[in-house]
Amino acid sequence: AQKVTQAQTEISVVEKEDVTLDCVYETRDTTYYLFWYKQPPSGELVFLIRRNSFDEQNEISGRYSWNFQKSTSSFNFTITASQVVDSAVYFCALSDPSSGGSYIPTFGRGTSLIVHP
Amino acid sequence: DGGITQSPKYLFRKEGQNVTLSCEQNLNHDAMYWYRQDPGQGLRLIYYSQIVNDFQKGDIAEGYSVSREKKESFPLTVTSAQKNPTAFYLCASSPTSGTGPRGNQPQHFGDGTRLSIL
Repeated sequence: AQKVTQAQTEISVVEKEDVTLDCVYETRDTTYYLFWYKQPPSGELVFLIRRNSFDEQNEISGRYSWNFQKSTSSFNFTITASQVVDSAVYFCALSDPSSGGSYIPTFGRGTSLIVHP
Repeated sequence: DGGITQSPKYLFRKEGQNVTLSCEQNLNHDAMYWYRQDPGQGLRLIYYSQIVNDFQKGDIAEGYSVSREKKESFPLTVTSAQKNPTAFYLCASSPTSGTGPRGNQPQHFGDGTRLSIL
């Protein structure tokens, strides 16, 4: 079984603040993949990042950074100096071979980020 | 441009009626998926297909049906047995549902179809 928990339902910040979105996962497999997606008001999910279970290096892409810690089963996402355009729902997802060997993603419930000007 | 096209964008269903949501991709992906999104519920998997002429139930398949006669197309039918169909439906695809030489690849999503009851 796999499970993804995004405990923060909604976060509200003022522009230029830093914000961290939490993601905690559960899996029994040693090989798995973690993803973050952004869903703007238009509705389409946009892929942000993928991490496999053997690569614990943190990653930075512009104002975005991700902290993957296997010891705490967490894959948190930080936006530095947030902007109004960052307002969206963000989803964390996990795929592992629990679906009969297939990697079918399970999504968290999402965190709605509202950035005020 | 390559991508996923969902139609219609908005759909209304009458009592006792079946409706079909279209999903077409030109990404040459083998795997396709249907998700349902309700407020505060995240994305829940309805059906997925790993190859043409084959599909599997997801977590909430009851009241839905699918077909995969062509690689590019994965239509979802919401039947009258689905008593609470009002939701946002998202179609997605990925190169495979396995790991492949480049690991498990991310999904590409369509713009979604919003289904409401008349």
